[in-house]
Amino acid sequence: QQQVKQSPQSLIVQKGGISIINCAYENTAFDYFPWYQQFPGKGPALLIAIRPDVSEKKEGRFTISFNKSAKQFSLHIMDSQPGDSATYFCAASKETSGSRLTFGEGTQLTVNP
Amino acid sequence: KAGVTQTPRYLIKTRGQQVTLSCSPISGHRSVSWYQQTPGQGLQFLFEYFSETQRNKGNFPGRFSGRQFSNSRSEMNVSTLELGDSALYLCASSRVPGQGPNQPQHFGDGTRLSIL
Repeated sequence: QQQVKQSPQSLIVQKGGISIINCAYENTAFDYFPWYQQFPGKGPALLIAIRPDVSEKKEGRFTISFNKSAKQFSLHIMDSQPGDSATYFCAASKETSGSRLTFGEGTQLTVNP
Repeated sequence: KAGVTQTPRYLIKTRGQQVTLSCSPISGHRSVSWYQQTPGQGLQFLFEYFSETQRNKGNFPGRFSGRQFSNSRSEMNVSTLELGDSALYLCASSRVPGQGPNQPQHFGDGTRLSIL
């Protein structure tokens, strides 16, 4: 059962543009929503995370927007750079499940120079 | 500070064999989780260990097992390998089980397992 759905599967953006990746979840018990960035040949690296008591969190060029009523959250990458080209995964977890993360399907982002 | 170390990086096995993968967490991290990454199924949780005890288990057959040692290092074993077990196996560590801004999970670069 896929509990976190992510879209789009792939995304091409011009340098300087805004990249937007969306995720939707089903389980209302989820209480932590991280985003991971993965480069080829590397493991996922935590980018930014949010809890449902906050509607938005910004760290540098990366912003998470969270809509609890719609059970949706999204990642915005402002001023996208070629170095941002990677696969991005949203994820969700709940306190009672320890460190277990449920991942979305991933979005392959390409930023053209 | 050294990151999560997984060995070996690449492994080729044949159907029916068994394999053991190793994970050394970041120093001071006592929780270790394992994930399987495939193009078709994405990232799927296998199990989590803390204080040498399995705390959580994903929806994988019993052929997949793991253990954790007193120094927090962990191993996972897959017996009777099948073609579908070809995947990148990732290990992640954190100080203690759970999630939060003060204790993010750190992933290793994985072991690429190919089954012939």
